[in-house]
Amino acid sequence: GIQVEQSPPDLILQEGANSTLRCNFSDSVNNLQWFHQNPWGQLINLFYIPSGTKQNGRLSATTVATERYSLLYISSSQTTDSGVYFCAGGGAGTALIFGKGTTLSVSS
Amino acid sequence: DVKVTQSSRYLVKRTGEKVFLECVQDMDHENMFWYRQDPGLGLRLIYFSYDVKMKEKGDIPEGYSVSREKKERFSLILESASTNQTSMYLCASSRGISNYGYTFGSGTRLTVV
Repeated sequence: GIQVEQSPPDLILQEGANSTLRCNFSDSVNNLQWFHQNPWGQLINLFYIPSGTKQNGRLSATTVATERYSLLYISSSQTTDSGVYFCAGGGAGTALIFGKGTTLSVSS
Repeated sequence: DVKVTQSSRYLVKRTGEKVFLECVQDMDHENMFWYRQDPGLGLRLIYFSYDVKMKEKGDIPEGYSVSREKKERFSLILESASTNQTSMYLCASSRGISNYGYTFGSGTRLTVV
């Protein structure tokens, strides 16, 4: 079955620091996505990134499909970046399976 | 701008009750999903649907059923609620076989007493 593993499980940063979150996935995954769950529980889709690199403001993501991993970069972190970051993946025509998440805490 | 709407934010039900959780999306997405989220266990897939009147079991379907009579609406049914079904329930929708535009509702926190 589909496997999605994230690291680290927890991350504590000072405001302004940069961070890298990693996601390893099984070879049956072909539509890797990143989500952010804010402290109020809302899940927001950050990136649809089956391969290559995308950027959105201070966030960017890179997926190397041949090596089955994806990285989420957060630069100049802000307190509003706090929450849980999930990667999720699935095969064609199947639902997304989520990793356990990385809990990020950014302090001022 | 709300795209996936879950009918209740908080719900308290008694053991043995039949519970309906409703989800409506306005993006004309073909695919809809129900997950539950519990501390330490992450998001687990209960059921999903790729078309009207179609349903597929996820990883934890026991104790649940679903209904999709219209494209925009996907209902999760707890036939006889139990305390171990106390959880946050999240509905999502997406487009196409690549699940593009995966969008979640704001969740329903269900407590069964």
